[in-house]
Amino acid sequence: GENVEQHPSTLSVQEGDSAVIKCTYSDSASNYFPWYKQELGKGPQLIIDIRSNVGEKKDQRIAVTLNKTAKHFSLHITETQPEDSAVYFCAVNSGNTPLVFGKGTRLSVIA
Amino acid sequence: DAGVIQSPRHEVTEMGQEVTLRCKPISGHNSLFWYRQTMMRGLELLIYFNNNVPIDDSGMPEDRFSAKMPNASFSTLKIQPSEPRDSAVYFCASSQEQGAQSEAFFGQGTRLTVV
Repeated sequence: GENVEQHPSTLSVQEGDSAVIKCTYSDSASNYFPWYKQELGKGPQLIIDIRSNVGEKKDQRIAVTLNKTAKHFSLHITETQPEDSAVYFCAVNSGNTPLVFGKGTRLSVIA
Repeated sequence: DAGVIQSPRHEVTEMGQEVTLRCKPISGHNSLFWYRQTMMRGLELLIYFNNNVPIDDSGMPEDRFSAKMPNASFSTLKIQPSEPRDSAVYFCASSQEQGAQSEAFFGQGTRLTVV
């Protein structure tokens, strides 16, 4: 089955700096790559996603890049703010299979 | 819509007791997923349903775990008997379609503590 590796497991950045989280996957048939944000005491919530026919997608301060050849994709957060502090999960799926999640990255933005 | 609703939010029980977690998916969603979250394993898929039918329960750790979806608006995850290693946060999620690049909407989770 699909195997998703996510790095780093923890990340601390100064407010205003950029944060990058990377994920690799194993199934070359995977074609959907969402990112979820989980705040304390809440369930994960979709923040951005990308499909296999696109190499990059941006939404204000967040962006996702996809390299299908290398089977990895990344989340980029620019101009980080304290409210960006949370746990971020990448996920992967192909066809009708459920999402397979990475183990998460705990991001701390230090004011 | 109020989103995916889970109950209870917190459950503390003694080892050996039966525990039932409940979920109400978003109206109109055809797929429902149960996940378990721990520090060690992250988010693990336990079981998922499509149109109320269980599709894959290979993630259910043991026979002590069972899940049902009697109708499109309700699902339960039962642990009987519970053990301390079952302590985790259990999430229910629903989506319009199974996989198929469809966003999964998560509930707030149930934090289970087995003592």
